[in-house]
Amino acid sequence: AQKITQTQPGMFVQEKEAVTLDCTYDTSDPSYGLFWYKQPSSGEMIFLIYQGSYDQQNATEGRYSLNFQKARKSANLVISASQLGDSAMYFCAMREDNTGANSKLTFGKGITLSVRP
Amino acid sequence: EPEVTQTPSHQVTQMGQEVILRCVPISNHLYFYWYRQILGQKVEFLVSFYNNEISEKSEIFDDQFSVERPDGSNFTLKIRSTKLEDSAMYFCASSEVGQGGNQPQHFGDGTRLSIL
Repeated sequence: AQKITQTQPGMFVQEKEAVTLDCTYDTSDPSYGLFWYKQPSSGEMIFLIYQGSYDQQNATEGRYSLNFQKARKSANLVISASQLGDSAMYFCAMREDNTGANSKLTFGKGITLSVRP
Repeated sequence: EPEVTQTPSHQVTQMGQEVILRCVPISNHLYFYWYRQILGQKVEFLVSFYNNEISEKSEIFDDQFSVERPDGSNFTLKIRSTKLEDSAMYFCASSEVGQGGNQPQHFGDGTRLSIL
């Protein structure tokens, strides 16, 4: 079974609008972390936001917020007030703590976001 | 802001040759990682490294691969006898020691490896 599922093939959003990028995960580990990374066309991987499995509140970082629904095993990224520079591939990733708090990240396939002017 | 630095940005090598990909992690980070991304596919974990030894490795990281921290700043990935299917973007990442697990892995800009 896939540990991280990102099924949206590609998303379009109008500049200044909000957009939600979906991510579901699968783990039996009670302690885990969820991460979102942005990959522009230039190829680098940029860390956006983190959510821990025991965090009581949804994570927020500027225009990024995470809609964390633990019972549904989903961790959707919400980007508010989209900008043209937000056009990129977005990856959801999970770290399972059963092998340590610095263990590997498992990535989803990614979602392409295109922001229209 | 400190960043992970990778060199070269693009490496072209003949099949069967050895390549060394280099990384300078963020200076106060103690965990180091290599990932790869075949064109159009997801990012895959290769290996993690802590305290001068491998912490974890994937099935991809077979005897063809090795990692080394030759000095206090560099972290290298060596691929021996390269194959066509080794063509990919290779990312180095580093993180601080996790406290409660909230330390993100910071990625370099990647080295694009092309095997001819």
